Amino acid sequence: DQQVKQNSPSLSVQEGRISILNCDYTNSMFDYFLWYKKYPAEGPTFLISISSIKDKNEDGRFTVFLNKSAKHLSLHIVPSQPGDSAVYFCAENYGQNFVFGPGTRLSVLP
Amino acid sequence: DVKVTQSSRYLVKRTGEKVFLECVQDMDHENMFWYRQDPGLGLRLIYFSYDVKMKEKGDIPEGYSVSREKKERFSLILESASTNQTSMYLCASSFLDRPLSYEQYFGPGTRLTVT
Repeated sequence: DQQVKQNSPSLSVQEGRISILNCDYTNSMFDYFLWYKKYPAEGPTFLISISSIKDKNEDGRFTVFLNKSAKHLSLHIVPSQPGDSAVYFCAENYGQNFVFGPGTRLSVLP
Repeated sequence: DVKVTQSSRYLVKRTGEKVFLECVQDMDHENMFWYRQDPGLGLRLIYFSYDVKMKEKGDIPEGYSVSREKKERFSLILESASTNQTSMYLCASSFLDRPLSYEQYFGPGTRLTVT
């Protein structure tokens, strides 16, 4: 059973609207959750993180929310831009260990 | 700018061949990682290393080995390639110490096909 789940394989959003990508986890012992973005033919690039002691972290158009009681986190992108079209992975980090979700493909339509 | 390079972008090998995938990073990172990425499964950790000559098994080490003789270089070895090892292989590196260690830098990937 997957430890980190991203139940939506794909998501389409109109340019300028909000994109919400979701992630659920089972392991409560983590230090950080991370979001990575991956374009085709490139490796993933780090986008934003959230510490286990926080419930929100914001960086420009990107905000990550953590709900520990529900074991759920979400990435909000506002406003969405066509250049945001990519696969987004959430990943759990504890110590030197990283566990990635299967990814969600976001398409931002012009 | 951090650079993680992988020796090949595409590789085609035959079943039973020994395969070497090389990864080099230029940021003096202590940690290095090998993942494979498969559709619907995300990135799965094969092995990681936090120092020269040190290695730790990840979630799916079976059929793989690794070598880290120099800090900047981490090699993944498939001793006898099989068709179920056809995948995208991604190398990553990061610092050892908090708070920077959670940020991994990835190479572009090697798409390996075993026929």
